[in-house]
Amino acid sequence: AQSVTQLGSHVSVSEGALVLLRCNYSSSVPPYLFWYVQYPNQGLQLLLKYTTGATLVKGINGFEAEFKKSETSFHLTKPSAHMSDAAEYFCAVSGNNNDMRFGAGTRLTVKP
Amino acid sequence: EAQVTQNPRYLITVTGKKLTVTCSQNMNHEYMSWYRQDPGLGLRQIYYSMNVEVTDKGDVPEGYKVSRKEKRNFPLILESPSPNQTSLYFCASSFGSGGFPDTQYFGPGTRLTVL
Repeated sequence: AQSVTQLGSHVSVSEGALVLLRCNYSSSVPPYLFWYVQYPNQGLQLLLKYTTGATLVKGINGFEAEFKKSETSFHLTKPSAHMSDAAEYFCAVSGNNNDMRFGAGTRLTVKP
Repeated sequence: EAQVTQNPRYLITVTGKKLTVTCSQNMNHEYMSWYRQDPGLGLRQIYYSMNVEVTDKGDVPEGYKVSRKEKRNFPLILESPSPNQTSLYFCASSFGSGGFPDTQYFGPGTRLTVL
């Protein structure tokens, strides 16, 4: 079965700084990989996903992630943080056994 | 509007009193799932369904039941709730892409407190 590890439960950056949220996965088959964002008191919404093809994936709000098979990683980045990016971010993986696995989440704080 | 709806949004109950949380989607998705969210643990899958009358256990199925009699509905049943089931619950749906669950569309969540 697949699994996801998010490194760092809390990340704090200054406004305008690079955002880097780390995600490593394990899967016995080529996985589908996702990043979701959760704003306070809301459900989760998709930021971006990787299924097949180009390994650099661009999502909404200026986020992108790169699938690196050799490193089993799918780290999320954004060149310049904005105050509105403060939220909790979840990495997730699905495989051909039909289940979805989520990481424990990373709370991003953006300082003015 | 494409959406996943859950009811109720908030529920306070007592140990042992059976309850059902409803979930409905209007996107004709094959795949539906229930998750619980607890601080520090992220989202954990309780049950999922690949299609009508097809359900399977996720990571934390103990104490929960589900059914999928219609494609659009996927209720979560707690036959005898206990305090350790106090949590935030999310229903989600998606297309299944070649057997892989694809982008999950989440409902707004149900905050359950069991006293």
